[in-house]
Amino acid sequence: QSALTQPASVSGSPGQSITISCTGTSDDIGHYNYVSWYQKYPGKAPKLMISDVSNRPSGVSYRFSGSKSGNTASLTISGLQAEDEADYYCSSYSVNSPVVFGGGTRVTVL
Amino acid sequence: QVQLVESGGGLVKPGGSLRLSCAASGFTFSDYYMSWIRQAPGKGPEYVSHITSSSSYTDYADFVKGRFTISRDNAKNSLYLQMNSLTAEDTAVYYCAKLDGAGPPEYWGQGTLVTVSS
Repeated sequence: QSALTQPASVSGSPGQSITISCTGTSDDIGHYNYVSWYQKYPGKAPKLMISDVSNRPSGVSYRFSGSKSGNTASLTISGLQAEDEADYYCSSYSVNSPVVFGGGTRVTVL
Repeated sequence: QVQLVESGGGLVKPGGSLRLSCAASGFTFSDYYMSWIRQAPGKGPEYVSHITSSSSYTDYADFVKGRFTISRDNAKNSLYLQMNSLTAEDTAVYYCAKLDGAGPPEYWGQGTLVTVSS
């Protein structure tokens, strides 16, 4: 059981927008503005897509954006493309641990 | 570019030991906190341990305290994880990660698989 809760899967057609939620508690997401999102392809290293809730590292497509409200953070992928099909994980600072993670969301491009 | 390459994983019997290594390149290793994170099959990632840039402080998840030891050699740009008293619950892919300050992982390696089974 991961500390943060994500939907197991989200799907969308090319060009559509999808949103992945990440629900925590007042001890993690609700307490800190340090939510990160990672993209992972099978057999590859996870890649940082969003840090500090909504900051996009250099080189990450503008189609990826992050937000937070209360104990829930969200990752939105706009203009969905075939290459976006991957697993996505959220993470957050926590009062109980340096970092906690979500269980992951499989994004499928229909 | 940042590269992190883990090694040392494999099949080990319950109660056994393994030492994982992580070779870092593409950044000034001695300036950054480093971490080990693991991911069991079908589950999300899980924090294991982290170490400060000068090795002055280390931290461990409760489930590895007293069994695992993190260390680093800044002269060799390398991070290590000594794992003792392994159980089946330790079976996972273990990732080496460069931290963003004292924060979340910024870069990850591709991981090394540790399987604990008789």
